[in-house]
Amino acid sequence: AQSVTQLDSHVSVSEGTPVLLRCNYSSSYSPSLFWYVQHPNKGLQLLLKYTSAATLVKGINGFEAEFKKSETSFHLTKPSAHMSDAAEYFCVVSAPSGGSYIPTFGRGTSLIVHP
Amino acid sequence: DAGITQSPRHKVTETGTPVTLRCHQTENHRYMYWYRQDPGHGLRLIHYSYGVKDTDKGEVSDGYSVSRSKTEDFLLTLESATSSQTSVYFCAISEEAGGPDTQYFGPGTRLTVL
Repeated sequence: AQSVTQLDSHVSVSEGTPVLLRCNYSSSYSPSLFWYVQHPNKGLQLLLKYTSAATLVKGINGFEAEFKKSETSFHLTKPSAHMSDAAEYFCVVSAPSGGSYIPTFGRGTSLIVHP
Repeated sequence: DAGITQSPRHKVTETGTPVTLRCHQTENHRYMYWYRQDPGHGLRLIHYSYGVKDTDKGEVSDGYSVSRSKTEDFLLTLESATSSQTSVYFCAISEEAGGPDTQYFGPGTRLTVL
């Protein structure tokens, strides 16, 4: 069984300040972990993914995430927020289940960026 | 962008009517998925397919059926739509290997059941 918890439903930051979106996961197997972004009225787009290589993963648009097995966390960070980062962010865990990898999505974190 | 289209993009229907949503891909990916997105719930998996005529249920499959007669098409059917099925529906695909692959998402279909 697997699950993912996004610890904040909304995060509000000012432009130019750091972003931290928190994600904890549970999995019986070594998981793959993903962050996706969804801009208003759009589909989802991959930001970054962890698949058991380097624990610090760099993604698009300056985002990165660190896999911490001891804390079962995969938090998403960015040093300096831009207005264009305002969107919904989803953490996803994927692990084998009956021969397939079926992803489980978190409930999402809405990032609000103030001028 | 991955070649995924969904049709229709918007639909309004009445309770009790059948509805079919179509997902079409041009990437020849093995896996296809149907999700629904509702506020506060993220994306929840309805059904998925791991090949032609090979499908399985997700966590919210009640009231939905699917079919995949060709690699490129994955249909989602609401046999008798209910107001609780008002949602935004997303199709996704993932690559041939079937491992921990990136999913690519379609633009979504907004369905309203009156």
